Parts: sequence; structure tokens; C-alpha cells
Amino acid sequence: NAGVTQTPKFQVLKTGQSMTLQCAQDMNHEYMSWYRQDPGMGLRLIHYSVGAGITDQGEVPNGYNVSRSTTEDFPLRLLSAAPSQTSVYFCASSYLGPGGNTIYFGEGSWLTVV
Amino acid sequence: SQQGEEDPQALSIQEGENATMNCSYKTSINNLQWYRQNSGRGLVHLILIRSNEREKHSGRLRVTLDTSKKSSSLLITASRAADTASYFCATDLSGGSNYKLTFGKGTLLTVNP
Repeated sequence: NAGVTQTPKFQVLKTGQSMTLQCAQDMNHEYMSWYRQDPGMGLRLIHYSVGAGITDQGEVPNGYNVSRSTTEDFPLRLLSAAPSQTSVYFCASSYLGPGGNTIYFGEGSWLTVV
Repeated sequence: SQQGEEDPQALSIQEGENATMNCSYKTSINNLQWYRQNSGRGLVHLILIRSNEREKHSGRLRVTLDTSKKSSSLLITASRAADTASYFCATDLSGGSNYKLTFGKGTLLTVNP
């Protein structure tokens, strides 16, 4: 199994440009999410989805859109990139087992907005 | 505000020594988890401890949970250079969505050969 796959790994955008970070998982997990990681800030939840057709906002949703048309895919869209969106983005998937929710992370996407 | 806060922010030890990291949180939880992140990589789940558990072991890892103090500790015994990484605690809020975890800012552990 590939687990959680994110593309691209690295991207440089100009302010105002749009782009989509792709995320796919092959574990048939119900729950998928996007986090951003900034120095000294830990991971902050951007958007999440508890199943196909269902999405909701996390802690820092502004400037980002998501959709969940299939169980496998959960793309993150930046409609008009800003320098404040320079960050490392992690996609994750999980299922709710008897012990709790264990998250499987992708390898990250490094985004620089100039 | 952060639900979980790790302490210390950075820790440097010699190979073979034990490393202890702490996590404090603010509100009641269903469970607490620890994750490791190697430089430039994604986070990897290490261990989960439920709110009704006090201690859990996994290989060289020992996690304790004190719900009265709202704190947890992660002990790595006989550390190796390969344990060099950032370690994060994550909490699953009691009464909240079981799918949403809140992460701390992490402890950077450096194990010197």
C-alpha cells in the first residue's frame, strides 16, 4: 500500500496565483484532513472531511478550499496565494478504531509564495 | 490556543541515555497520542494512551498519563542516534469530534553518537 500520497513535493507560487495540492489515500479511510506546519506553531488543522461529500473547516481555513468527491482523494485549493500561506502542508487520513483516531500522514508539500 | 504543549522545546542527549519529554494539556481528553517527525518528513504515529490508562509501553517507549494533572510523558530508553527527531503530543478532546486531533508544538530531540 502507498498510504497517503501528496503532490507536488515542492512548489513556488507568485502572489495571486492559484494551485491545488493533491492528496490520495489507498487505505479506505473515512477521515481525511489537511494541516499546515509553521516554525514554532506545530500543526494546525485547515480543513477536514469525515467522508465523501462532507467537508468542514478546521482551525485556519481562510484562503483554502477543499472538496471530497471520492473516499480516496482530498485536494486542497489555494485560490489566490498569499505570502502568509508559505508553509509545509500535510495531508492525513485516519479511521476511528476502538482505541481512538490514529492519523497517517503524507510526506508533506513545501509551498513558497513569493 | 494550543491544547497540548510539549516540554522541553529541545533536548540534547548522548546515545544510550534516556530521553523524557512532557506534554501538558488544558481540557478533558478521550486519548492522547505521541508522534515522531524526522526532518523533512511526515509525522509517524508512535503510541496512543486512553484517558482511563495510566501507563503504556511499546518497545523502548513508555508513555504515562496523569489526567488529574492533565499531563503526559514520553520516555525513550537507551536512545539511539536514529531517535533524533521532533516529537509531538496530540489530544483527542473529550466530547469533541473523535476525528479531530490537536497537536502541540513539539520537542526536538537530538541524540549525539
